[in-house]
Amino acid sequence: NAGVMQNPRHLVRRRGQEARLRCSPMKGHSHVYWYRQLPEEGLKFMVYLQKENIIDESGMPKERFSAEFPKEGPSILRIQQVVRGDSAAYFCASSRDTQETQYFGPGTRLLVL
Amino acid sequence: TQLLEQSPQFLSIQEGENLTVYCNSSSVFSSLQWYRQEPGEGPVLLVTVVTGGEVKKLKRLTFQFGDARKDSSLHITAAQTGDTGLYLCAGLSGNNRLAFGKGNQVVVIP
Repeated sequence: NAGVMQNPRHLVRRRGQEARLRCSPMKGHSHVYWYRQLPEEGLKFMVYLQKENIIDESGMPKERFSAEFPKEGPSILRIQQVVRGDSAAYFCASSRDTQETQYFGPGTRLLVL
Repeated sequence: TQLLEQSPQFLSIQEGENLTVYCNSSSVFSSLQWYRQEPGEGPVLLVTVVTGGEVKKLKRLTFQFGDARKDSSLHITAAQTGDTGLYLCAGLSGNNRLAFGKGNQVVVIP
């Protein structure tokens, strides 16, 4: 009965490179959420997806960031041309349905050099 | 933006003492969740409260949801060193977003 899985746990990128973060929701969960935690800040909502659909991406920067949740496979958060300010912990959460409890993965810690 | 204020930000107590931390907002939430986060890990769910006035107990932890569904408290009885951690409250709104507070950092000294 695995929980939410994220990989990699740690990712180091140089400025200008791409970062791809993966999230596999809990079994039976079709709703996925991405949050970002900056140093000394609380978790902030980025994007909400259901299978093959982006439901709400209003918390995600318009430039360089994209997310998908394909019919098969994990959800992917993609950051193109990373900058130092993208360094943060990125958490994925999943829920079985709308308005239900969200369970979090262990996070991916992105460091941009 | 719905903001949750958690207080105190930092609390240090001796093992065996009781403590209460608070989560307050001017917004109404459909439910409120408490998580505990250890360094380098993700938030781990402790409890979800849904009904105004609801009280839930999890061993030595007691969670209360305010009558107006805007605030909550967490009370720990006879704290143990294993209770050390960052306690996060998060309110769920109608758009399925969780709004988080910055957390209550609790340190229990042996």
